[in-house]
Formats: sequence, structure tokens, C-alpha cells
Amino acid sequence: KNEVEQSPQNLTAQEGEFITINCSYSVGISALHWLQQHPGGGIVSLFMLSSGKKKHGRLIATINIQEKHSSLHITASHPRDSAVYICAVLIGGATNKLIFGTGTLLAVQP
Amino acid sequence: DAGVIQSPRHEVTEMGQEVTLRCKPISGHNSLFWYRQTMMRGLELLIYFNNNVPIDDSGMPEDRFSAKMPNASFSTLKIQPSEPRDSAVYFCASSFRGGSNQPQHFGDGTRLSIL
Repeated sequence: KNEVEQSPQNLTAQEGEFITINCSYSVGISALHWLQQHPGGGIVSLFMLSSGKKKHGRLIATINIQEKHSSLHITASHPRDSAVYICAVLIGGATNKLIFGTGTLLAVQP
Repeated sequence: DAGVIQSPRHEVTEMGQEVTLRCKPISGHNSLFWYRQTMMRGLELLIYFNNNVPIDDSGMPEDRFSAKMPNASFSTLKIQPSEPRDSAVYFCASSFRGGSNQPQHFGDGTRLSIL
């Protein structure tokens, strides 16, 4: 069983829809990243959070430490949001190590 | 801010050849990470450095892989000899490790193809 699991693996949405991507983890963490990767492109860190909720534009990330669960929401989705979204957890303690989920491939159709 | 700079962006070479990937972290960052991304396994940590010292190299696949960080502004990942199964995108990332967690900043990656 992977230490970081994402769902769904693939998601197709119509432009304007509200989108939710989920991430569950089984290890102790000090923080959680949501990353975005466009096809053939680099990786961009969208959020890093260790509690509560963060918002940036149309993107919202939440985390529940007790339930070991995080969600990434996209409001009013747009075709340019089409990308792979990757959840990664920063292992707690002295290490500075990220463990990655397998990613969610999002396609937003016009 | 120049961001994390990786070179080359693309590398195609024949199996058995030595491959050297390069990374310049963001100035002031004291942690550097090498990752590999494949379709089958996704993103995997290969090795990371704190203050130029290798901390965890448990992700390095085998002795053919080696990484160095001779100073705070430069790191290399070397594969010798290369094999077709090493074909992947290799990312370098850096962050500042201080009293609180800081996000990692990724380079654009090196797409490596071993023929």
C-alpha cells in the first residue's frame, strides 16, 4: 500500500465545474505539498500547508491532520487548469524528505 | 530570482555512456534534492543534501548512480554506465531548511533518453 494515495487517478471535467482532488496518507508528516505539472513541463508548488486551509485565486487546499487527509479544490475550472496534480508529504522529524502520490490527471474540456 | 537551473534540458545518448546532469539551486537555499520521474513509478527521491552534505541516498538505484555537491551553488548527478532503464525525467529541487518548513522549488527537469 502506498504511503500517499490520491483519488481520482483521472478526472475529466467541463469548463466551469468545481473540482476536488483528494489525498490520504498513512505516515506522520510535518507538511503537505500540492504540486502542478503540465504535460512535458516542470513542477510548480501550488501550496504547502500543515494545518487548516489556504487559498490562492481559484485554488483552495485543505488539510485535516487528525484524519490524515487533504483536498485540493479548483473553482470555476478552465482548460488551462488541465495538468497533473501531485500530492506530496514532508516526513516529520529531522528529515526533509518528500513522499509523492501517483498524481491525478485532470482534463478540463471547453 | 532565477529559480533552480538544470542542464541539459534534454539528453540522448547510447547505453554504456557516462551521463552527467547538473543543477544550480536557488541562492540561499541549503537543501538540494534529486528526483526521478517515470511513467511506471512516478516521482521518486534519489538523494538529498543539507548544507552540501548527503543526508539520504537510499533512493539511489545502484552503484552506477552518484551525486555530488561540491559547493552551495552546484550539484551533479552522474550515471556511469548508463542503461536504457535509466531513461526518465530527472528533477532537481531546492529549499531553505530552517526553523519552519519551506516549500521546495523545482527545476524544469532533464529529459534523459538512453538508447
